[in-house]
Amino acid sequence: DAGITQSPRHKVTETGTPVTLRCHQTENHRYMYWYRQDPGHGLRLIHYSYGVKDTDKGEVSDGYSVSRSKTEDFLLTLESATSSQTSVYFCAISERSEGAKNIQYFGAGTRLSVL
Amino acid sequence: GNSVTQMEGPVTLSEEAFLTINCTYTATGYPSLFWYVQYPGEGLQLLLKATKADDKGSNKGFEATYRKETTSFHLEKGSVQVSDSAVYFCALSVTTGNQFYFGTGTSLTVIP
Repeated sequence: DAGITQSPRHKVTETGTPVTLRCHQTENHRYMYWYRQDPGHGLRLIHYSYGVKDTDKGEVSDGYSVSRSKTEDFLLTLESATSSQTSVYFCAISERSEGAKNIQYFGAGTRLSVL
Repeated sequence: GNSVTQMEGPVTLSEEAFLTINCTYTATGYPSLFWYVQYPGEGLQLLLKATKADDKGSNKGFEATYRKETTSFHLEKGSVQVSDSAVYFCALSVTTGNQFYFGTGTSLTVIP
């Protein structure tokens, strides 16, 4: 199994509070991603990173920010959580963006409830 | 743009039945195609992949062939087991933007 740890695994918070989710990898992979999974939508990309301090927006980036100060850590922050951000969040990593090593490996997920 | 469309679920089959989950795609350029599986309470795991037209990916009895002419990547298994019960996601990747695009997932339940 790819060495990906997401923390926390479960979180309940109140509307308007800031929340930070952490993804930690031990594979030294260059690319890291944050997705949210919702019924009827599959996985939707929030943000991704292609290196330390190099990040870009995905399909559903509004209300989220990310930071990557080290290769192994990718943080997702909800500045002011809303009920629409209740979801399961997955981190993924990949070694390459093309070729045989262009495979995404996923963490176990963080279940976030915003009340 | 880039997108993946897979058959709606849920799908319920008896053990040893034949499985097909349809997946079609729209992509710019030449994508790589993937099937991922998600077991309850877990993250997604790569099941198989194909990187060019006519490639066949296979793993654990599952197969899928990259069909460029029909823009399809249907997942098949000849004889399903109860342990195959999971949600299956079709996905494509394109190098532009380093992104993956996932289908909405198809839930499979196999009953004894």
